[in-house]
Amino acid sequence: NAGVTQTPKFQVLKTGQSMTLQCAQDMNHEYMSWYRQDPGMGLRLIHYSVGAGITDQGEVPNGYNVSRSTTEDFPLRLLSAAPSQTSVYFCASRRVSYNSPLHFGNGTRLTVT
Amino acid sequence: QQPVQSPQAVILREGEDAVINCSSSKALYSVHWYRQKHGEAPVFLMILLKGGEQKGHEKISASFNEKKQQSSLYLTASQLSYSGTYFCGKEIEEGGTNAGKSTFGDGTTLTVKP
Repeated sequence: NAGVTQTPKFQVLKTGQSMTLQCAQDMNHEYMSWYRQDPGMGLRLIHYSVGAGITDQGEVPNGYNVSRSTTEDFPLRLLSAAPSQTSVYFCASRRVSYNSPLHFGNGTRLTVT
Repeated sequence: QQPVQSPQAVILREGEDAVINCSSSKALYSVHWYRQKHGEAPVFLMILLKGGEQKGHEKISASFNEKKQQSSLYLTASQLSYSGTYFCGKEIEEGGTNAGKSTFGDGTTLTVKP
């Protein structure tokens, strides 16, 4: 049981480049979400999804797109990377029930130069 | 709106106790607590639900005061392994458009020294 898998672990981009951060879970969780964590700061919700075909914006959605075509996968797209997007990105999933905890992936460390 | 945590940082000696607070300006449905070690992902500690009782996990316990919209995490007889950053997360409703929308505080960094 792999849990939540994020790829890549590290990525360096130049300003204006695009890329997709991958997230997959094998726990059949309905809910998936993306967070960014800047150095010494908390987790900021970017986008989340409560099921395949359903996505919604979180606290800091600008500059990011998501889609959810399957229960297992929830990729995060940066269309035109900016230095302000340098951060650690965490994907998380859980069941949509009242007492279900979030399971986090190991994170993707992204640097935009 | 994210929950507000206090204090921002705590330094303890082994065996001492600590309390970390988490408050919200909106009515809470549930509060959950996570611990993050440096360079690692957050790890779940416990969830407290509206109307539920105090939870415990070894020497770490938490309470949830619905009227004050506040939760507190209690670390008793702290150990070196308790060092890390503690985050509270909140959900404001069970169903509806905000279902599952979990937002986090800025964290409390706990350092336990020998």
